[in-house]
Amino acid sequence: DAKTTQPPSMDCAEGRAANLPCNHSTISGNEYVYWYRQIHSQGPQYIIHGLKNNETNEMASLIITEDRKSSTLILPHATLRDTAVYYCIVRGNTPLVFGKGTRLSVIA
Amino acid sequence: DVKVTQSSRYLVKRTGEKVFLECVQDMDHENMFWYRQDPGLGLRLIYFSYDVKMKEKGDIPEGYSVSREKKERFSLILESASTNQTSMYLCASSWTGGADTQYFGPGTRLTVL
Repeated sequence: DAKTTQPPSMDCAEGRAANLPCNHSTISGNEYVYWYRQIHSQGPQYIIHGLKNNETNEMASLIITEDRKSSTLILPHATLRDTAVYYCIVRGNTPLVFGKGTRLSVIA
Repeated sequence: DVKVTQSSRYLVKRTGEKVFLECVQDMDHENMFWYRQDPGLGLRLIYFSYDVKMKEKGDIPEGYSVSREKKERFSLILESASTNQTSMYLCASSWTGGADTQYFGPGTRLTVL
């Protein structure tokens, strides 16, 4: 599986958009980009995934660059409950491999 | 909604005890996974199973075994618990071989004294 690089931490003001970047320059053609988050003392929660096209669901949007070497997770209106560690994972037909993620702190 | 449940949120055991961690999913998923999570090390895969009675080693299987007698239930067994197995244990399940979305349980925080 391709490896990912994420900033260790980010802050975001409540109500503003949170943009979390992820680099995955060695991604293969059949590998998806997945995003999970983990709120303190809970199990990881699936957010969104994509292959080539941008994706949006009720939680977030995923923007994947045309060369697929990087992506951005967007939380359009961050709330205090979005404070968590966010994991960007690139995978094919294998179990998830978690890196260290980005610790997002949403500040009132 | 997918529901993955784990038998205990918190567990305290003594060194040398045999420990069973149970995981049950209610969505008829074929695949189930056990991870452990430690500060600074992130989540690491211990074992996974693609079908009943099937198991595959993950990245850190030493000191653990698993059992999958029924599709909905995946058990993690510590044959002789040691202090270095104190950790948060997370179970997950998914539909297909691995590319599909994995859903996680709430975790079991195990302390081995």
